[in-house]
Amino acid sequence: DAGVTQSPTHLIKTRGQQVTLRCSPKSGHDTVSWYQQALGQGPQFIFQYYEEEERQRGNFPDRFSGHQFPNYSSELNVNALLLGDSALYLCASSFDKMTQYFGPGTRLTVL
Amino acid sequence: GQQVMQIPQYQHVQEGEDFTTYCNSSTTLSNIQWYKQRPGGHPVFLIQLVKSGEVKKQKRLTFQFGEAKKNSSLHITATQTTDVGTYFCAGLGTASKLTFGTGTRLQVTL
Repeated sequence: DAGVTQSPTHLIKTRGQQVTLRCSPKSGHDTVSWYQQALGQGPQFIFQYYEEEERQRGNFPDRFSGHQFPNYSSELNVNALLLGDSALYLCASSFDKMTQYFGPGTRLTVL
Repeated sequence: GQQVMQIPQYQHVQEGEDFTTYCNSSTTLSNIQWYKQRPGGHPVFLIQLVKSGEVKKQKRLTFQFGEAKKNSSLHITATQTTDVGTYFCAGLGTASKLTFGTGTRLQVTL
């Protein structure tokens, strides 16, 4: 049984560019959440998707958007990248909207 | 908004010593979860506490949820080098958003 998978593993972008990160949830999970983890800090909740709709959102600007597909996989899009967007982006899936099963993350570097 | 703080930020112990990290929320929580993140890795779910005053044990790890459901602790007895990592608590508030604590980084040396 595959766990949560994310792609790509690493990504380097320049300021102003746009990026799309992808996540496949653990089998049997229908809810996907995205987190941003800056170096040395705890994960910060970006948003949560369930039934292809954004259900909860943290304190992130509209530059951060997402999508969930019928197979429960999800994408995180970030527009107009800033240097401060450099971080580890974690996807987590859940079957009860509480316990989070995290993927390995995508390390985004913005130059 | 909801804030979750952890102390200490960092602790260095010798193998065999005990370790405790404390978690405090600015608001009452529905439940509290604990995660461990190894260096270079991703957070891994350890446990969830739901009831006021609840205590759960996993081998050498003891987790406690405060009576007021605003604080929690994780105690490791006789640490081992495999316990190295950052321990995060995460609280589920009334808005059903999971807020992670600031984390406690544990270093264990022989």
